[in-house]
Amino acid sequence: NAGVMQNPRHLVRRRGQEARLRCSPMKGHSHVYWYRQLPEEGLKFMVYLQKENIIDESGMPKERFSAEFPKEGPSILRIQQVVRGDSAAYFCASSTGGTAYEQYFGPGTRLTVT
Amino acid sequence: AQSVTQLGSHVSVSEGALVLLRCNYSSSVPPYLFWYVQYPNQGLQLLLKYTTGATLVKGINGFEAEFKKSETSFHLTKPSAHMSDAAEYFCAVSEPGANSKLTFGKGITLSVRP
Repeated sequence: NAGVMQNPRHLVRRRGQEARLRCSPMKGHSHVYWYRQLPEEGLKFMVYLQKENIIDESGMPKERFSAEFPKEGPSILRIQQVVRGDSAAYFCASSTGGTAYEQYFGPGTRLTVT
Repeated sequence: AQSVTQLGSHVSVSEGALVLLRCNYSSSVPPYLFWYVQYPNQGLQLLLKYTTGATLVKGINGFEAEFKKSETSFHLTKPSAHMSDAAEYFCAVSEPGANSKLTFGKGITLSVRP
């Protein structure tokens, strides 16, 4: 059973460009979470999605960031007009949901904005 | 709101020595508690979790943690450190329920001296 897959693993963007980060959850998992890890900090929750629905986006910056998890295909975290402060590691986790669960993390996408 | 405090950013132990990584949490409801390990340039791997029941929880790689409600703590221990334990360790908390986002501490880097 393949684990959580994220691509690309490394992404370099110039200021003002768009970044698209992809996450394929583990087989059988319909819950996806995105976290951001800034240098010298722990992971911060960004958004929680189920298939075709955003359940909690309380951690998402109000502008430039969006996420989706379509019926078919991976979950996408999209960052428009990137700035240097967006440079970070972005991790996706998936779970089966429920009240006693485990979140399985992908290897992360390391975004560098130049 | 929930929060996690991991005091200090770096712990160094000798190989074979006791490992003790501290974690204190704040939560308005009975929490679920987790320890994750992150090796360089990799995603997070679950070491152990506490949801309900026995307060002493055993995890992988010889680690264990004890939930102490009166102290709001969930410290991670291992009797004898191994060189392969060198990594970053994150404590996390979540509320039981359908929206189970994780709130992480800032992490502690464990170094193991030969």
